[in-house]
Amino acid sequence: GQQVMQIPQYQHVQEGEDFTTYCNSSTTLSNIQWYKQRPGGHPVFLIQLVKSGEVKKQKRLTFQFGEAKKNSSLHITATQTTDVGTYFCASQGGSEKLVFGKGTKLTVNP
Amino acid sequence: DAGVIQSPRHEVTEMGQEVTLRCKLISGHNSLFWYRQTMMRGLELLIYFNNNVPIDDSGMPEDRFSAKMPNASFSTLKIQPSEPRDSAVYFCASSLVLAGVGNEQFFGPGTRLTVL
Repeated sequence: GQQVMQIPQYQHVQEGEDFTTYCNSSTTLSNIQWYKQRPGGHPVFLIQLVKSGEVKKQKRLTFQFGEAKKNSSLHITATQTTDVGTYFCASQGGSEKLVFGKGTKLTVNP
Repeated sequence: DAGVIQSPRHEVTEMGQEVTLRCKLISGHNSLFWYRQTMMRGLELLIYFNNNVPIDDSGMPEDRFSAKMPNASFSTLKIQPSEPRDSAVYFCASSLVLAGVGNEQFFGPGTRLTVL
């Protein structure tokens, strides 16, 4: 079945440093969604990318969808302690269901 | 809107007991997803419903797990009998799916299940 591989599994940064997590698939993805889960919380939708090469920004967060629609990335500029959490990518196969990556756990040292 | 509502928030039970988890969808949504999250296996889809009909239950671990959606806004996930390896956080998520195209999923706060 469809799988998305997410790297790195863990990332620890100093506050103010940048952070990037990558999501890769061996098959072409119809779309990619990104979620954030705070410690002890539940996943919260951040954004959906649909078009090849699409780039979207939300304040300090930049989301990209690869030209071949097989990879995606989330980049955070100048991390803050509020960015702490696990970031998941998820893709839709040929149905309504989402397949989630394992997530990247981000910790930020103040 | 109150968002997705799950109950109970925490459940501690003994091996062999029946456990029932409950979920209320967001009004107007037509799809419901049950997930299980553990450190080892991450976030796994157990089953999902579209317009009250179970579409894909391939993620349900075994016959001890069953899920129902008796009406458009409510679902239950039952484990009978429960085992220690079922200990996890169980999330349900609600979405509005049109023409097979998924939109964002809204997750409930989860039920943290501990089976002793």
